[in-house]
Amino acid sequence: EIVMTQSPATLSVSPGEKATLSCRASQSVSSNLAWYQQKPGQAPRLLIYGASTRATGIPARFSGSGSGTEFSLTISSLQSEDFAVYYCQQYNNWPPITFGQGTRLEIK
Amino acid sequence: QVQLVQSGAEVKKPGASVKVSCKASGYTFTSYYMHWVRQAPGQGLEWMGIINPSGGSTSYAQRYQGRVTMTRDTSTSTVYMELSSLRSEDTAVYYCARALQYSGSYDYWGQGTLVTVSS
Repeated sequence: EIVMTQSPATLSVSPGEKATLSCRASQSVSSNLAWYQQKPGQAPRLLIYGASTRATGIPARFSGSGSGTEFSLTISSLQSEDFAVYYCQQYNNWPPITFGQGTRLEIK
Repeated sequence: QVQLVQSGAEVKKPGASVKVSCKASGYTFTSYYMHWVRQAPGQGLEWMGIINPSGGSTSYAQRYQGRVTMTRDTSTSTVYMELSSLRSEDTAVYYCARALQYSGSYDYWGQGTLVTVSS
């Protein structure tokens, strides 16, 4: 099973600033990595798939990069609605599909 | 528009079974795989398994083997997830999620179904 490790667990950033979230895989997942945003009481929302492709309707301030075992999600200028929990997911080697434990992005 | 509408919250006793439904609309039901993901209170996301709505084939996470059954009804565009021998640790929100074509990422999610296991 591929273990996904996200860092940091919590990130405090001021609105308007840039946030960078990291995700590491225990073995290569090629570019088969997705990022999701989840707000309290809601289902996750797909932001990025294929490590760097924005999903339909996702603003350009969200970008993904990386391949192999190291990935990042960057939010270029944080808006109030961006404060949420973010998960990475690998779908390269499965079953099982695995998720990171999440990064909570909070307002500084 | 694509919608996945799940059945309502359930309260079950330990040892019982629960069956959660997920009704799809707005797209060709048999063209997209469906996954089930669960989330315990305050915890992260955990993959449970996948069903191919076209042929009905399934694959389950090893930790649920023998306890989970995923089925589908093409006449109503509905997938089902049944979990048996429930224990308190199974208390969670259960989501169905449609897999993006040619990808294992999920472009649409159901609203979630809270299953509470309590004596």
